[in-house]
Order: sequence, then C-alpha cells, then structure tokens
Amino acid sequence: ETGVTQSPTHLIKTRGQQVTLRCSSQSGHNTVSWYQQALGQGPQFIFQYYREEENGRGNFPPRFSGLQFPNYSSELNVNALELDDSALYLCASSTAGISYNEQFFGPGTRLTVL
Amino acid sequence: AQTVTQSQPEMSVQEAETVTLSCTYDTSESDYYLFWYKQPPSRQMILVIRQEAYKQQNATENRFSVNFQKAAKSFSLKISDSQLGDAAMYFCAYGGEGGTYKYIFGTGTRLKVLA
Repeated sequence: ETGVTQSPTHLIKTRGQQVTLRCSSQSGHNTVSWYQQALGQGPQFIFQYYREEENGRGNFPPRFSGLQFPNYSSELNVNALELDDSALYLCASSTAGISYNEQFFGPGTRLTVL
Repeated sequence: AQTVTQSQPEMSVQEAETVTLSCTYDTSESDYYLFWYKQPPSRQMILVIRQEAYKQQNATENRFSVNFQKAAKSFSLKISDSQLGDAAMYFCAYGGEGGTYKYIFGTGTRLKVLA
C-alpha cells in the first residue's frame, strides 16, 4: 500500500509568482485535503476535494485554488505569491462516506517566498 | 466555530518517566473525533491516538493514553515510559462531521525527552 506522496519537497519562489504543488493520495482514498502550516504553528485547513469537486474551504483567498483528478491525485495552485505564503503545505488523503475516516498526511512541501 | 487550544508550548520529560500534554477544545457538535498527531523533524504527521466523542472509554495505544473529559471539553495525552524517539511536536486536532471534513489543529506542544 503506497502512502501519500507530495512533490516537490522544497521550492523557492519570488513574490508575485505562481506555484503548483502536487499530491498523490493513498491507494483507495477518494478525498484530499490541503493544509498550510506556518513556522511554529499548527496546520490550517485550506480546502478539501472529493470526487473532483471542492468540498469545503477554509479562510484562504481565491488565489489559492485546487484540482482533483480522476485518479484522486490533487494539485494546489497559489497565484500572486506573497511573503506570508511561505510555509509547509501538507496534503492529507482519506475515504469519505464511512462513519470514521482518518486523514493520512504526506511529508509536505516546504515553500519559501522571497 | 470550533477551536482547539494547547496551552503548553514546550514540555520536558526524563527518559522512562511519564508526561501529560494538555488540550482543550470548543464545539457545539455532539458527534466528533479528537486526535493527537506527532510531527518529528522529518515533518511527517503521524497519528498517535484518536478518540470518538460518543465513546466514554478513554482510548489507549501502547504507551499512549488519553483522558477525555467531554463535559469539560478536555483531551489530554499521557505518554508513559517516555523514550528518546518520542521527542517531537505534538498536535491536538478536532475532526467534526464524522471526521470526513476539515481537521482543526492546536498550535502544538514541543516535547523534549531528556536522557
């Protein structure tokens, strides 16, 4: 059973640029959630995708957008990068539709905005 | 809105001793889940233990156990026989709506284990 994977591991961008982060969900999972973890903080929910549709969104501006593909993998896109976007971005996959589902986290992508 | 509070930014414990990490939360929901996650320097979030709100019995996983006080909205983690490998950031998290929706995390507690 393959776990949640994320790419790239690290990347550096400059303010105003755009970035795409990728996540492959664990085998058998149909839901992907994205979290932003600023340095010294707990993860904050960005949004969740279920069956290729956004299924809830946290308090993040529209320049944070996402996609989910038929194989349940997902992308997080951030436009017009700001310095405060520097953070660890975590992806978590799970299986919706059962009474309990645990979210399994990937290793994260460390984004630095200069 | 739900909130999760961890009031201990850092804790230290001697190897082989017991330590308790605190967490309080606020919610108006009756059905929810609570979790403790461990995040070592490798950054991977690892589930330590979970508790279903409808279960009165406290969850245990080997050396890890919780004290779940639903009325007080308190969810503490006890680590017995602490090991050097337990050193990490520990996050308390709330999952509502059957756990299918977003998790709400606390700010974390850094646990140091002293040899």
